Amino acid sequence: GQSLEQPSEVTAVEGAIVQINCTYQTSGFYGLSWYQQHDGGAPTFLSYNGLDGLEETGRFSSFLSRSDSYGYLLLQELQMKDSASYFCAVREDQAGTALIFGKGTTLSVSS
Amino acid sequence: GAGVSQSPSNKVTEKGKDVELRCDPISGHTALYWYRQSLGQGLEFLIYFQGNSAPDKSGLPSDRFSAERTGGSVSTLTIQRTQQEDSAVYLCASSLFLAGGNYEQYFGPGTRLTVT
Repeated sequence: GQSLEQPSEVTAVEGAIVQINCTYQTSGFYGLSWYQQHDGGAPTFLSYNGLDGLEETGRFSSFLSRSDSYGYLLLQELQMKDSASYFCAVREDQAGTALIFGKGTTLSVSS
Repeated sequence: GAGVSQSPSNKVTEKGKDVELRCDPISGHTALYWYRQSLGQGLEFLIYFQGNSAPDKSGLPSDRFSAERTGGSVSTLTIQRTQQEDSAVYLCASSLFLAGGNYEQYFGPGTRLTVT
């Protein structure tokens, strides 16, 4: 079956670094994406890894190891506005079909 | 430019009634997706449209759910004989369709459906 596992909750303080892990088990794999969703808002795209390694975008980085079926999202210099839910998502095939989402990790950043 | 829009933003309906939810994708995006998100849960795939191809309906939970996409643009998700378990936020997303690579999906604000 298909499954994406990520922690349900993470807490941290402003300025800290947080890593949100995601392990996946899917019938195919064509990339791991991360989406952010603030309370009551729409999910917004953060990053994508199609190949192994680290992708960096400002304060956020994402890593993928296809051999381990594992990835993570790294958030640095945390700010209060980073409090949100973070979802990892896998695309199973190349044809552009829908993403399979994890259940999400709720990040709470305190001062 | 305009993002993905959905209407209505909120819908309260009685059990057994039919509802229609609308999605206007970003202009030029040929791929359109419907997801469902229950409280505190991840996004559950419902249906996917790509150009003129037959839609991927593999995520529809029952035959009470259907969707169409007219003219390759606007899409309507219909739920017939609504049940309380249908209460959720229904999210629409659109994306470009490119051979390989990242299909970044742009989400609309969702329709919150409450079945009483």
